[in-house]
Order: sequence, then structure tokens, then C-alpha cells
Amino acid sequence: GDSVTQMEGPVTLSEEAFLTINCTYTATGYPSLFWYVQYPGEGLQLLLKATKADDKGSNKGFEATYRKETTSFHLEKGSVQVSDSAVYFCALSVNTNAGKSTFGDGTTLTVKP
Amino acid sequence: GAGVSQSPRYKVAKRGQDVALRCDPISGHVSLFWYQQALGQGPEFLTYFQNEAQLDKSGLPSDRFFAERPEGSVSTLKIQRTQQEDSAVYLCASSWPGGLNTGELFFGEGSRLTVL
Repeated sequence: GDSVTQMEGPVTLSEEAFLTINCTYTATGYPSLFWYVQYPGEGLQLLLKATKADDKGSNKGFEATYRKETTSFHLEKGSVQVSDSAVYFCALSVNTNAGKSTFGDGTTLTVKP
Repeated sequence: GAGVSQSPRYKVAKRGQDVALRCDPISGHVSLFWYQQALGQGPEFLTYFQNEAQLDKSGLPSDRFFAERPEGSVSTLKIQRTQQEDSAVYLCASSWPGGLNTGELFFGEGSRLTVL
């Protein structure tokens, strides 16, 4: 079956530090890949996505590249801010599953000033 | 509405009670999903509707769980004879047909169920 493995947290960084959160996946079909973010007290919201190999998703300074050869979709940001503190979820969706998504367990990021 | 709305936000139930959780998706979104999120874990798929048709209920953990979407908009997740292991956040998400093809989901804030 489909699965997503995320880097375990929590992750604590100082403001302006470089962020990487690792994500690898296993899928039976050809998935689309996503990063969702959950800020404190809010619902999950889409951060970025990539739908085919070598695509790069980007938003709010975050980036992730769909690497089919390594089945990875690592999240990166060059300079984190306190406001980036949240829980980050990697997810995949295989079109043949009608959009049903499989999520990783989430990585909690805390950014200190 | 502007986003996916879920109610109640918090529900405490005694073991054995029935509960009903409501989801009001984004207007015009055809697809509606229910997920269960245990503490410290990612969301786990429960069931999926396209309009009023329940096309996939493979994630429902037992026959105590039942979901409906009779008019293709608002959905209700019902849990009968609640057990402590049902304690979790129940997330509703909706998607439009374009989003369906790429799997992008719009989530509500969730209903946190605590079973005592």
C-alpha cells in the first residue's frame, strides 16, 4: 500500500536558520506529492505541491522537489521565521484513488527568536 | 462559506454514547473526505463522498462508524457506542473536480472527540 515517512521531530531552530524536513514515500501508482502545514489552533492547509517528477513546488519561501529516483519530497527553506512554527505534514495522492491522500505523521517545527 | 466548517469543535462523550459530527464543505466542492487524526499522528483516511454517493468507506474502523451526505453538501459522521479508542480529531476536507485530479484538499479545523 501507499505510505509516507517523515523525518521525526520535534525540530527546533533559531530564526534565519536553514530548514530541511525529509520525506520519502512508497506508492502503488504515480502520485502527486504535497506538503500541508498546520499552524497552532488552525486546520491543515496546503503549503505546496508537485504533480510529476522533477517538478518543484514552492510557496512562502518553502520549496520541495519531486524526486522519483529517490522517492523523496524534502521540504526546505533558506531562512526560517518565528511565524513558521507549525506542524508540517508530507502527503501523497494517487489519481486512481480519487484524491484519497496518505499522510506522514507530521514534524513539529519550533523557531526561536 | 469561505472555508470548510466543522461542528462541534470539541465533544466530550461518555463511553457508550452516540456522537454526530457535522461538516459543511466549501460551496461547489463535489468531493468530501473524512479523516481521523490520533494524537501525534497524521490524518488517516476514513471515507469519501462524491456528491451524495459514498464511493469509498474502506477506512471506517468498525461498523460503529457511519457517514452520510444525503444532499451532496453537508455531511455527518456518526459514531455509535463510542469507545475510548475513538478519541481523536476528526477532520473533514473537501475538493473540487480540478483539485480532485491532483488530490489537493481543503480542510476544516476538525472536531476533537474525547471519550471518557
